[in-house]
Amino acid sequence: EDQVTQSPEALRLQEGESSSLNCSYTVSGLRGLFWYRQDPGKGPEFLFTLYSAGEEKEKERLKATLTKKESFLHITAPKPEDSATYLCGGADKLIFGTGTRLQVFP
Amino acid sequence: DSGVTQTPKHLITATGQRVTLRCSPRSGDLSVYWYQQSLDQGLQFLIQYYNGEERAKGNILERFSAQQFPDLHSELNLSSLELGDSALYFCASSLGWGSGNTIYFGEGSWLTVV
Repeated sequence: EDQVTQSPEALRLQEGESSSLNCSYTVSGLRGLFWYRQDPGKGPEFLFTLYSAGEEKEKERLKATLTKKESFLHITAPKPEDSATYLCGGADKLIFGTGTRLQVFP
Repeated sequence: DSGVTQTPKHLITATGQRVTLRCSPRSGDLSVYWYQQSLDQGLQFLIQYYNGEERAKGNILERFSAQQFPDLHSELNLSSLELGDSALYFCASSLGWGSGNTIYFGEGSWLTVV
């Protein structure tokens, strides 16, 4: 069964404390992996799509990487405004993980 | 603002009733997707339409149905509502279909079944 698993479920960071979120997938023939950011009560906002192992994409303090089995979202020197739930999913399978809820404290 | 418009934003209805959620995709987008998000289930894919035709189907209940009209707007119909149908329903759109297309989400319709 196609599945996307994210860890940790929740992450609390101090402002400036870098960390990584994990997304592992067991999806047959995966063609592309999404990362989205979702604020409470809002629609998910697109961040990145990664297509091949070794690919990396960056946006401000976020960098997404992809291997054959998993993806990481690295957050460097986070700020309180980075607090949100981060979702990953299969781009062609249209399935998402349950997300990592990130809280960054000043 | 993603450009995807959903109405209504909030809806409260009783068990057994039927509701219709409406979605206008971004200008030029031909694909429309419907997702359900509840606290314990995460973001669940329901169904996708491309240019009026059903393209992919996910975990959509038989009590739910959707369609995409010639002007590309879409409606999700939920009938015989149960308490467990209370959730945030998202519509999303993309230019085409397939992994090369970025999917843009609307702000959602909050459905509460009492």
